[in-house]
Amino acid sequence: DTEVTQTPKHLVMGMTNKKSLKCEQHMGHRAMYWYKQKAKKPPELMFVYSYEKLSINESVPSRFSPECPNSSLLNLHLHALQPEDSALYLCASSQVSGNTIYFGEGSWLTVV
Amino acid sequence: ELKVEQNPLFLSMQEGKNYTIYCNYSTTSDRLYWYRQDPGKSLESLFVLLSNGAVKQEGRLMASLDTKARLSTLHITAAVHDLSATYFCAVDLYGGSQGNLIFGKGTKLSVKP
Repeated sequence: DTEVTQTPKHLVMGMTNKKSLKCEQHMGHRAMYWYKQKAKKPPELMFVYSYEKLSINESVPSRFSPECPNSSLLNLHLHALQPEDSALYLCASSQVSGNTIYFGEGSWLTVV
Repeated sequence: ELKVEQNPLFLSMQEGKNYTIYCNYSTTSDRLYWYRQDPGKSLESLFVLLSNGAVKQEGRLMASLDTKARLSTLHITAAVHDLSATYFCAVDLYGGSQGNLIFGKGTKLSVKP
């Protein structure tokens, strides 16, 4: 099983809403990532968790709050987002120092 | 600052033809990734190249890595329509495998009958 599962697949939220994106993997990977991809652009790293601890935060605004409750789950809490935050949010996982990074199907976020 | 440059950014090919996508990067790295992305879909891992001179092949795609030249190539042999997609190369910002991938802008490949 090389699957990274993300929910929801589509999310529309207002600028005052609070919502969360969820990501799950059962490959025993101890590194998990959030990437953001705007339309027609390459993905950009947001956060890296290694052994459930935040190891990289690429200067992401605080309206994005990651959480790694256990080794299989990764959440991205969203609050007070702006329309320019509309994008495809990709979760990924790998072995720590592993060779292959597996991406989930992504969550399409629209902020209105 | 690590830069990853792909060219061409757009590629229109006829079925049956061969072509190469190039990926240059600006810092030392011992691994390079190639991904495929179909419209509206996620990233599919194609190849992970781990050392200088590495060559990997899967079907009509072959990837190679020259770490001294900081260059990777993705060669397409006898293209078919199913290969139409956007192809990204990526390099880890810290070398090794920290997962901080810096992606090229992508090459949008369109294969026409």
